[in-house]
Amino acid sequence: QSVLTQPPSASGTPGQRVTISCSGSSSNIGSNYVYWYQQLPGTAPKLLIYRNNQRPSGVPDRFSGSKSGTSASLAISGLRSEDEADYYCAAWDDSVVFGGGTKLTVL
Amino acid sequence: QVQLQESGPGLVKPSQTLSLTCTVSGGSISSGGYYWSWIRQHPGKGLEWIGYIYYSGSTYYNPSLKSRVTISVDTSKNQFSLKLSSVTAADTAVYYCARDDCSGGSCYSPYYWGQGTLVTVSS
Repeated sequence: QSVLTQPPSASGTPGQRVTISCSGSSSNIGSNYVYWYQQLPGTAPKLLIYRNNQRPSGVPDRFSGSKSGTSASLAISGLRSEDEADYYCAAWDDSVVFGGGTKLTVL
Repeated sequence: QVQLQESGPGLVKPSQTLSLTCTVSGGSISSGGYYWSWIRQHPGKGLEWIGYIYYSGSTYYNPSLKSRVTISVDTSKNQFSLKLSSVTAADTAVYYCARDDCSGGSCYSPYYWGQGTLVTVSS
């Protein structure tokens, strides 16, 4: 059972906008930054969003993050086939805690 | 850009100690300002943070693994290492090393990741 709660799956068609939610509590998301990672099949996680809504250089602006209270969301606009991956949220809560991951399928 | 590379045995026997090393390039551990972490991922499962170390040697571990984990640093080789004792099959996982995102003296979550290495615990 993960400390942060994500839906196990999400899907969308090319060009669509999809959002992935991440729910936590006052001790993690409510009081610390949220991070999002993308993990393509067979590869290491890659940082997608840091400090709630910042994109590392090289990450397309199709990806955006937001946070409100004890929940956060990752939005992907203009969905592309190469976005098919597992997505994880993370935050600090006496250690780094992760969500269980959301498998995004591009239909 | 910082690059990290894990190395170590891919097979460890039950009850023994798992030992991995992370070699850092493109940045110096001894310059400070960042925490260096270990994270693992059980096959087909999610991510689990193990702990981190600062260049000075100060560490912080996941409370759930603390009794079995030791993370150390060798600044002369620009490496940091993980030891996990008394392993069982439940420790079979891909192990990643990472450099954390830090600002103003606080660090929050991994930023740069190594490619990971699979460690299997089996006799």
